[in-house]
Amino acid sequence: QQQVKQSPKSLIVQKGGISIINCAYENTAFDYFPWYQQFPGKGPALLIAIRPDVSEKKEGRFTISFNKSAKQFSLHIMDSQPGDSATYFCAASKAAGNKLTFGGGTRVLVKP
Amino acid sequence: DAGVIQSPRHEVTEMGQEVTLRCKPISGHDYLFWYRQTMMRGLELLIYFNNNVPIDDSGMPEDRFSAKMPNASFSTLKIQPSEPRDSAVYFCASSPPDRVHNEQFFGPGTRLTVL
Repeated sequence: QQQVKQSPKSLIVQKGGISIINCAYENTAFDYFPWYQQFPGKGPALLIAIRPDVSEKKEGRFTISFNKSAKQFSLHIMDSQPGDSATYFCAASKAAGNKLTFGGGTRVLVKP
Repeated sequence: DAGVIQSPRHEVTEMGQEVTLRCKPISGHDYLFWYRQTMMRGLELLIYFNNNVPIDDSGMPEDRFSAKMPNASFSTLKIQPSEPRDSAVYFCASSPPDRVHNEQFFGPGTRLTVL
């Protein structure tokens, strides 16, 4: 059972453009929603995270938008740069433990 | 500070052989996770420990897989006997006692190829 669905699977954007990745979850007990970034040959690393008490969180060029009623959240990468080319994973977890349920991943390619 | 350390980084073995993957979590972290990553199935949680005790092993594919954490600084994931479908990148991750941020720190992974 895939509890976190992520789309699209891949994305090509021009340098300076906006990358948007969407995720939807099913379990209403989830209350922590991180995004991880993974470069080829490396392990995933935390990029940005949000809790459902806010609808948006911004860190530099990265923004998470959260819609609790729709059970959806998204990652926006503003002014995309070639160095942002990576695979991005959304995830979700419950407060009671650290177990993360990951989405399927989105491979982002930023063309110069 | 050293991050999560995994060894070996690459492992090539033949079907039927025993494979042991090793992980050293970040000092002070009390959660340890084992993941498997493939193109087909993405990133899957296999098992995780809290204070060296297995909490959830529901992701372990079958009895051929076993994991141990004998102390706070070491964990192993063993596959016996290995099969070609076990070929994947295996990640270990650890997490600190800070329950506010829930961040997991991943190691560089072990790329396993079973011929």
